[in-house]
Amino acid sequence: GDSVTQMEGPVTLSEEAFLTINCTYTATGYPSLFWYVQYPGEGLQLLLKATKADDKGSNKGFEATYRKETTSFHLEKGSVQVSDSAVYFCALRGDDKIIFGKGTRLHILP
Amino acid sequence: NAGVTQTPKFQVLKTGQSMTLQCAQDMNHEYMSWYRQDPGMGLRLIHYSVGAGITDQGEVPNGYNVSRSTTEDFPLRLLSAAPSQTSVYFCASRALTGGRTGELFFGEGSRLTVL
Repeated sequence: GDSVTQMEGPVTLSEEAFLTINCTYTATGYPSLFWYVQYPGEGLQLLLKATKADDKGSNKGFEATYRKETTSFHLEKGSVQVSDSAVYFCALRGDDKIIFGKGTRLHILP
Repeated sequence: NAGVTQTPKFQVLKTGQSMTLQCAQDMNHEYMSWYRQDPGMGLRLIHYSVGAGITDQGEVPNGYNVSRSTTEDFPLRLLSAAPSQTSVYFCASRALTGGRTGELFFGEGSRLTVL
């Protein structure tokens, strides 16, 4: 079945550092790919998405590119802020279901 | 605009007790789903529905029942709670038609403890 694998955390960075969180997937067909973010005590909210190969999703300085050849959708940000501290989930939608990775906790130090 | 509303936010049960987690959405979304979130396991899909009268199993359906009698509501039932069902439960919905079909909207979560 479909699955998502993302790098384990926690990831700890200093403010203004470059961020990469790796995500790879296994799916039949051509899934849509997503990154969701969960702030403490809250539900998840959509950060960005890409629906076809080579699409780049972007939002709030975060970017991810749908790479079909490597089945990847890595999340990047050039300069992180303390307010980016959260748990980040990579997800895919193959048919109707949306399947999530295990999440990566990000700590940003001032 | 309420979005997705879950109740209760916290619940403690004894092993063998039953309960229902309520979920309601006011966005006229066709798709509704339940996830559980456990440390180190991420979010795992329990059950989902693509419309009233239609439900299907996700990754971890055992021990849970659902029904979808209206578009707005999607309750999750635990018939005989077990300690392994201690978790945080999230309800989520999305549109299946229109421009924003990919985005899941989540409730704030329900923390369940089974003793």
